[in-house]
Amino acid sequence: AQRVTQPEKLLSVFKGAPVELKCNYSYSGSPELFWYVQYSRQRLQLLLRHISRESIKGFTADLNKGETSFHLKKPFAQEEDSAMYYCALSEGRNYGGSQGNLIFGKGTKLSVKP
Amino acid sequence: DVKVTQSSRYLVKRTGEKVFLECVQDMDHENMFWYRQDPGLGLRLIYFSYDVKMKEKGDIPEGYSVSREKKERFSLILESASTNQTSMYLCASSSHQTVNYGYTFGSGTRLTVV
Repeated sequence: AQRVTQPEKLLSVFKGAPVELKCNYSYSGSPELFWYVQYSRQRLQLLLRHISRESIKGFTADLNKGETSFHLKKPFAQEEDSAMYYCALSEGRNYGGSQGNLIFGKGTKLSVKP
Repeated sequence: DVKVTQSSRYLVKRTGEKVFLECVQDMDHENMFWYRQDPGLGLRLIYFSYDVKMKEKGDIPEGYSVSREKKERFSLILESASTNQTSMYLCASSSHQTVNYGYTFGSGTRLTVV
């Protein structure tokens, strides 16, 4: 069964330190993977997608199919990075051209201390 | 430029009441979703819809129903509210054509059942 695992509920780092939010997945096909972020009192929003291989707000994530991982990394954490982060996997089910639903991990709360 | 609007930010209802949560999107998206968000449990899919008048059960549909009479509106119904349905409810939408851009979420409705 498809599954997304974020092993850390809470990750606390100091400002300027590197940060890595872990995400492992279980999926038999070719996954589409995403990171979503929710800042305090704001809506959940897309941070980045593996397919675009982009860097957003200094964050990057590389899909490692061998390790079935999609860890989110930033070399120097900022206080404004404090938020809830969710890793998500697209199931790939087809209906009318849609790739199907997203399966979310349970989330990791990142706290960046001054 | 709010694109997914949930009608209420906070709701307090009594046990046994019938509760309607409304979601409207203005992006002409085909797909719409209802999730509940609970600490430590992440996002869990309740129901989703790929088209008008279409609906499919997600992972936790018990105690809920949905309605999609128009493309832009997706309603979540709690037939008889119970205290274990106290939660944050998130609506999301996506397009068949741009599914790799992920979902757009509403700001959420925090429902308290007393």
